[in-house]
Amino acid sequence: DVKVTQSSRYLVKRTGEKVFLECVQDMDHENMFWYRQDPGLGLRLIYFSYDVKMKEKGDIPEGYSVSREKKERFSLILESASTNQTSMYLCASSETGLGTLPQHFGDGTRLSIL
Amino acid sequence: KNEVEQSPQNLTAQEGEFITINCSYSVGISALHWLQQHPGGGIVSLFMLSSGKKKHGRLIATINIQEKHSSLHITASHPRDSAVYICAVTRGAQKLVFGQGTRLTINP
Repeated sequence: DVKVTQSSRYLVKRTGEKVFLECVQDMDHENMFWYRQDPGLGLRLIYFSYDVKMKEKGDIPEGYSVSREKKERFSLILESASTNQTSMYLCASSETGLGTLPQHFGDGTRLSIL
Repeated sequence: KNEVEQSPQNLTAQEGEFITINCSYSVGISALHWLQQHPGGGIVSLFMLSSGKKKHGRLIATINIQEKHSSLHITASHPRDSAVYICAVTRGAQKLVFGQGTRLTINP
């Protein structure tokens, strides 16, 4: 079974801090994704990566950056955390292949910015 | 208007009832996904389909490409089916576009 592990289930940080959310997958997947989930808005794509050191902006990249130095690890960085970044953050991974392949999700990190 | 619309947003039913959750989309897709999210946050993929119908246990998913519509059915519902069910579509490059989710509560 694919395992996508997010480093923290709950995280509390202060406004202005630099925040790192880590995600590791164990199935050698090429694609990795970061989403945020907010009530009434559903999941929205922040960034995704289709290979090491490659990244592409999603629908809401403002205020975020990402890092993918190794294939199994995809980090989301909040450069200067703000209260409107309080949310549930979910990481996912998928293979690259012909046609559509399912994404495998981590358990999420509930981030509160005070 | 969202590209992916689900209905209803909330659904409460009694154990044993037949459940239907609907999903409509407005764009061309390569596949449609049904996902389940339990309290606590983890998301599990239930189905991925691009035509016809799929069945897994008590869950059935159908899609009508011409009408841009999909349904998720649960037969003989059980309290453990209580979760948020999310419809998502793939438009290319493995990226998903999500509906807002349907919160299902099954009472014993």
